[in-house]
Amino acid sequence: QKEVEQNSGPLSVPEGAIASLNCTYSDRGSQSFFWYRQYSGKSPELIMFIYSNGDKEDGRFTAQLNKASQYVSLLIRDSQPSDSATYLCAPRTGNSGGYQKVTFGIGTKLQVIP
Amino acid sequence: EPEVTQTPSHQVTQMGQEVILRCVPISNHLYFYWYRQILGQKVEFLVSFYNNEISEKSEIFDDQFSVERPDGSNFTLKIRSTKLEDSAMYFCASRSQGSGANVLTFGAGSRLTVL
Repeated sequence: QKEVEQNSGPLSVPEGAIASLNCTYSDRGSQSFFWYRQYSGKSPELIMFIYSNGDKEDGRFTAQLNKASQYVSLLIRDSQPSDSATYLCAPRTGNSGGYQKVTFGIGTKLQVIP
Repeated sequence: EPEVTQTPSHQVTQMGQEVILRCVPISNHLYFYWYRQILGQKVEFLVSFYNNEISEKSEIFDDQFSVERPDGSNFTLKIRSTKLEDSAMYFCASRSQGSGANVLTFGAGSRLTVL
């Protein structure tokens, strides 16, 4: 079983629509969940993180976490062409000594059509 | 805004040659990471480093790879004898110490092409 599973896409949405990106993870020890955005040829860039069950909103972005179902999602409202990128789901694991590691999924490629 | 700096941005090398990729993490960060991304594939964890030693390494990080922090500011990844399959983008990342959802900050990456 893959540690992080995402639909690689592409997911195409019209400009102004809501884009919904989903991710499941296998490690129940995952403590926090990061969503990174990666433009082609560039490094991952943090969009937002969530560590409690429920929803977390930040501008046009809403992250949703359900630890019982091992599921995390990212909603992008009012999608813009500049949102076209690959979105990486990244659970974080660690230990009580402070060590942490982020594991990336394959990412979902989002295309926002003008 | 503080950033992680990587050099070189692109290196072309012949198979079997040694390569050193350099990273300057954010100054107050204590944890350091190398990830790699083969073209079209996912970002893969290679190794993490803290307190001058490796904290964890993946099965990718075999004897051909090594890391060190030679001078308190640079963090390097060495590949002793490059193979064609080492061609990838290599990302350095760092984070500060402490509890909470600490963010890994990534550098812009070093693209390695092995011919």
